[in-house]
Amino acid sequence: GNSVTQMEGPVTLSEEAFLTINCTYTATGYPSLFWYVQYPGEGLQLLLKATKADDKGSNKGFEATYRKETTSFHLEKGSVQVSDSAVYFCALSGDMRFGAGTRLTVKP
Amino acid sequence: DVKVTQSSRYLVKRTGEKVFLECVQDMDHENMFWYRQDPGLGLRLIYFSYDVKMKEKGDIPEGYSVSREKKERFSLILESASTNQTSMYLCASSLWMTDSSYNSPLHFGNGTRLTVT
Repeated sequence: GNSVTQMEGPVTLSEEAFLTINCTYTATGYPSLFWYVQYPGEGLQLLLKATKADDKGSNKGFEATYRKETTSFHLEKGSVQVSDSAVYFCALSGDMRFGAGTRLTVKP
Repeated sequence: DVKVTQSSRYLVKRTGEKVFLECVQDMDHENMFWYRQDPGLGLRLIYFSYDVKMKEKGDIPEGYSVSREKKERFSLILESASTNQTSMYLCASSLWMTDSSYNSPLHFGNGTRLTVT
């Protein structure tokens, strides 16, 4: 069946550091891929998505590229801020499976 | 904006009680989902529904049931609550997905933190 493997956290960075959170998937067909973010005390919200191979999703300075050849959808940001501290989830469309989540803490 | 509302933010129940968690969405979405979120385990799908009166088991349906009598409302029921059901429960909704276009994102509520003592 479909599954998502996500880089384990927690991840702690200093402000303005470069961020990468790895995500790989196993799926039949051609699913869409998503990154969701959960800020403290809130539900998940969509951060970005990509619907086909080589698509790049982007939002709030975050980017992720749908790589079919490596079955990956890694999340990147060039310069993180304290306000980016949250839990990040990678997910597949279709049967809506999620990765385990990666907690990011950004220190000033 | 889509709004998914979960009726309670915090809930404390006793072992053996019957517990209802309610979720309402206001955007006429066909699909609704219940997940539980536990540290280190991420989100695990309990049940989902593609239409009124339809339900499908997710990965961990044991000990739970669901009800979808109206399109906008999806209820999660713990028939006899147990301490291992202490968790954060998240409801979500999305548009109907076609066979060739699985690209509709989920919209989540803010969660219900349930404690069973």
